[in-house]
Amino acid sequence: EAGVTQSPTHLIKTRGQQATLRCSPISGHTSVYWYQQALGLGLQFLLWYDEGEERNRGNFPPRFSGRQFPNYSSELNVNALELEDSALYLCASSALLGGEQFFGPGTRLTVL
Amino acid sequence: AQSVTQLDSQVPVFEEAPVELRCNYSSSVSVYLFWYVQYPNQGLQLLLKYLSGSTLVKGINGFEAEFNKSQTSFHLRKPSVHISDTAEYFCAVSDPHAGGTSYGKLTFGQGTILTVHP
Repeated sequence: EAGVTQSPTHLIKTRGQQATLRCSPISGHTSVYWYQQALGLGLQFLLWYDEGEERNRGNFPPRFSGRQFPNYSSELNVNALELEDSALYLCASSALLGGEQFFGPGTRLTVL
Repeated sequence: AQSVTQLDSQVPVFEEAPVELRCNYSSSVSVYLFWYVQYPNQGLQLLLKYLSGSTLVKGINGFEAEFNKSQTSFHLRKPSVHISDTAEYFCAVSDPHAGGTSYGKLTFGQGTILTVHP
C-alpha cells in the first residue's frame, strides 16, 4: 500500500512569491492535515481538510490557504512568502477522527 | 486547549542501555496518545499509539509506552537501544471529542533528540 506522498521534495522561492505544495493521501483516507515544522518552533498545525471542506485551521495568517480535491489530494498555498516561512511542511492523512495520522516525507521550503 | 510537554530536549545514552523519554499532557476526559519518530530529513513515523484498553502499549522497533491517567503521562521506553535509534521523538495527543481550535488535530510536544553512542 502506497503511503502519503508529497511534491516537490524541495522548493526554493524568493520573498513575496507564492508557493504551492501538493499531497496525496493514503488510498481510502478522506482527511488531510498540513503541519509546519520550522527550526526552533516545533510542529505546528496548519490546516485540516475532510471530504473537500476545511474543518479547522491553526494560528496562521490567511496567506496560508489550501484546498482538497474530489480525489482527496490536497494543495497548500502560501502567498506573499516571508523569510520565516522557510520550514519543512508535512502532510498527513487519516481514516479515523482523532486517530493516528500517517505522514509524508515533507516538502522543504526555502525562502530567500 | 491541549498541550504536551516533553521533559527532556536531548537524551544521550550508550548503545544497549535502557532509555526513557518522558511525556506529559494536559488533562482531558479522553485522549488519544501517540509517539512518532523522525529520522534526519524525513517525515514522521508512528511508533505506537494509545486509543483505549491496556495502559501498556507495545510498538515497533522494541519500544513501549505506559499510559498513566492519574499522572497524565505517556512515557516511552526501550530496554536496550541501538545506534539506529538515534533520531528525534515526538509525543502527540488528540482529543476525539474536542471542539473549537482542538478539533481533529494532533498537538505535539517539542521533541526529544535521542543520541545513542557506541
